Amino acid sequence: KAGVTQTPRYLIKTRGQQVTLSCSPISGHRSVSWYQQTPGQGLQFLFEYFSETQRNKGNFPGRFSGRQFSNSRSEMNVSTLELGDSALYLCASSLRISYNEQFFGPGTRLTVL
Amino acid sequence: GENVEQHPSTLSVQEGDSAVIKCTYSDSASNYFPWYKQELGKGPQLIIDIRSNVGEKKDQRIAVTLNKTAKHFSLHITETQPEDSAVYFCAASISSSNTGKLIFGQGTTLQVKP
Repeated sequence: KAGVTQTPRYLIKTRGQQVTLSCSPISGHRSVSWYQQTPGQGLQFLFEYFSETQRNKGNFPGRFSGRQFSNSRSEMNVSTLELGDSALYLCASSLRISYNEQFFGPGTRLTVL
Repeated sequence: GENVEQHPSTLSVQEGDSAVIKCTYSDSASNYFPWYKQELGKGPQLIIDIRSNVGEKKDQRIAVTLNKTAKHFSLHITETQPEDSAVYFCAASISSSNTGKLIFGQGTTLQVKP
C-alpha cells in the first residue's frame, strides 16, 4: 500500500507570494492533518480535516488555510509569505479522526527568500 | 495549555547499549502517546505507541512505559544499532471523535556509535 505522498517536495518562494501544497493520504484514510516543522519551534499542529471539514486548527495566522476534497486529498495554502514561514510542512493521514495512528509523508520543504 | 516536555535533547550511546528518552505531558486528558523516528530528509515514522489503559508495550528492541499518575512516558531502546541513529519525537493526544491532534516534544537526537 502506498504511503502518504506530498507534492512538491521542495519549493522556493519570495516574500509576499502565496503557495499551495498538496497531500494525498494513504488509500482508505479519511483524515488528514498538517504540521509545520522548524528547528526553533519543532513540530506544530496546523489543522486537521475529516470528511472535507476542518475539525481543528492550531495557533497560526489566517494566512494559513487548507481544504480537503471528496477523495480525501488535501491542500494547504499560505498567502503573503514571510521569511518565518520557511519550514518543512508535513502531512499525516489516519483512518478516521478518532483513530489516532497518524502516518506522515516526506514533507514539503518551503524556503522563503 | 497543552505541552509535552522531552529529555534529553541529545543522547550518545555505544552500539549495544540501551537508550532511554523521557517525556512529560501537561494535559491529564491525554490518552494516546506515540513515538516517532525521523531520519534526515524524511518524515517522522511511527515506531510504537501506547494508550492510557496500558502501562507498558514492547515491540522487539523497543518498549514504551506510561505512568499516568506522574504524567510521563518513556521510550526504551535495547541493544542499540547504528541504524537507530535519528531524531526521536514523543507526542501526546486526546483521542476523541472530534480531533486526533498531536502535541509533540522537542525531539531527541540519538547517536549510536559503532
